[in-house]
Amino acid sequence: AQSVTQLGSHVSVSEGALVLLRCNYSSSVPPYLFWYVQYPNQGLQLLLKYTTGATLVKGINGFEAEFKKSETSFHLTKPSAHMSDAAEYFCAVSAESGYGQNFVFGPGTRLSVLP
Amino acid sequence: DTEVTQTPKHLVMGMTNKKSLKCEQHMGHRAMYWYKQKAKKPPELMFVYSYEKLSINESVPSRFSPECPNSSLLNLHLHALQPEDSALYLCASSPGLAGVSETQYFGPGTRLLVL
Repeated sequence: AQSVTQLGSHVSVSEGALVLLRCNYSSSVPPYLFWYVQYPNQGLQLLLKYTTGATLVKGINGFEAEFKKSETSFHLTKPSAHMSDAAEYFCAVSAESGYGQNFVFGPGTRLSVLP
Repeated sequence: DTEVTQTPKHLVMGMTNKKSLKCEQHMGHRAMYWYKQKAKKPPELMFVYSYEKLSINESVPSRFSPECPNSSLLNLHLHALQPEDSALYLCASSPGLAGVSETQYFGPGTRLLVL
């Protein structure tokens, strides 16, 4: 069965600093990995995803993530944090099930950006 | 247009009420999902409709009843809910063609409070 862990339920960075949000997964098959962002009182918005091919994936709003199979990781980074990046971030693995696609979400990491 | 709309945005109901949540997408997607999200938790899958057929019911209580009138609409009928059912209810859709590598597009959610 697939699972996702996100180290750090809350991460604080200063504006302009590097953002690093950690995601590790467990999967018995090649994984399909996603990062979603959720702003307060809103739905989830896709930041980026990895399916096959290039292991460094670029997403929206300057975020990128690198798939590392040997480390079973898919950490999210952004070189310079903006105040508008403050939100909840969810890593997810997409798995095959009897009915089709099943998203397994990690517990989430809340990002705070300090002025 | 990658928009999933949900109505109402907020709903307050008593434990004896009957209400419905509505979700709509016009992206031609053939898979639609209902998720429940409690505060500070990741979304949890409740129902999946694939090509207008209910593919899975994740052991959700019968007081929740999904309906898919057509490929663009998804309803969630609520009856005799409990206070612990208070949560953000998210709808999502995906093309339904490429399996587990697909992106799910989320609506903004309905914030439900059961008194």
